[in-house]
Amino acid sequence: EVQLVESGGGLVQPGGSLRLSCAVSGFIISDSYMDWVRQAPGKGLEWVGRSRNKANAYSTEYGASVKGRFTISRDDSKDSLYLQMDSLKTEDTAIYYCIRPIFGSARGLAVWGQGTTVTVSS
Amino acid sequence: DIQLTQSPSFLSASVGDSVTITCRASQGINSYLAWYQQKPGKAPKLLVYVASTLQSGVPSRFSGSGSGTEFTLTISSLQPEDFATYSCQQLNSYPYTFGQGTKLEIK
Repeated sequence: EVQLVESGGGLVQPGGSLRLSCAVSGFIISDSYMDWVRQAPGKGLEWVGRSRNKANAYSTEYGASVKGRFTISRDDSKDSLYLQMDSLKTEDTAIYYCIRPIFGSARGLAVWGQGTTVTVSS
Repeated sequence: DIQLTQSPSFLSASVGDSVTITCRASQGINSYLAWYQQKPGKAPKLLVYVASTLQSGVPSRFSGSGSGTEFTLTISSLQPEDFATYSCQQLNSYPYTFGQGTKLEIK
């Protein structure tokens, strides 16, 4: 069974940094694209970014509001995906989800973790 | 960035009704549109991808259609468990974007 478990959320001051982790099981992470999506309190979904698979050199894409501040990486030996968040703003407060897209096409976000909550506040 | 506009934002319906939600894209996105269902306190669930392909395990009362800039999600014969928020997402070009969501409530 494919499972994704996020961790690392918490309270951080504006301007600070936080690293989220996503531990995966049930599939080979190096073969898979992986995405992050967030949801601010009471708001809609916002796509954060994507890490392509090993065959595509783990290249990344980012949403406009996080580009240059957030970095997606992975450690295949640990079956883990990471989201490094720097220069955090109050508007980054959200639940952050780790997602495995549909295998092969990546044209749909098929398997979601339970999410981890990030609060940016002084 | 491609903007997605869902209509309506709120929808009230009864069990057994059929409802349709529309998602319009600010530019053509071929058929690379997905639909998600989200219930309070839960992660979203993929319902439909590439506009009309039902994700495994999703009941056949859900259907998607469209291409280019206009897409629809139809739920026929609403069941109590269908009352939730529905969101569309374009996966044609980066950055991927979501619609603002449609909240489906029980009348």
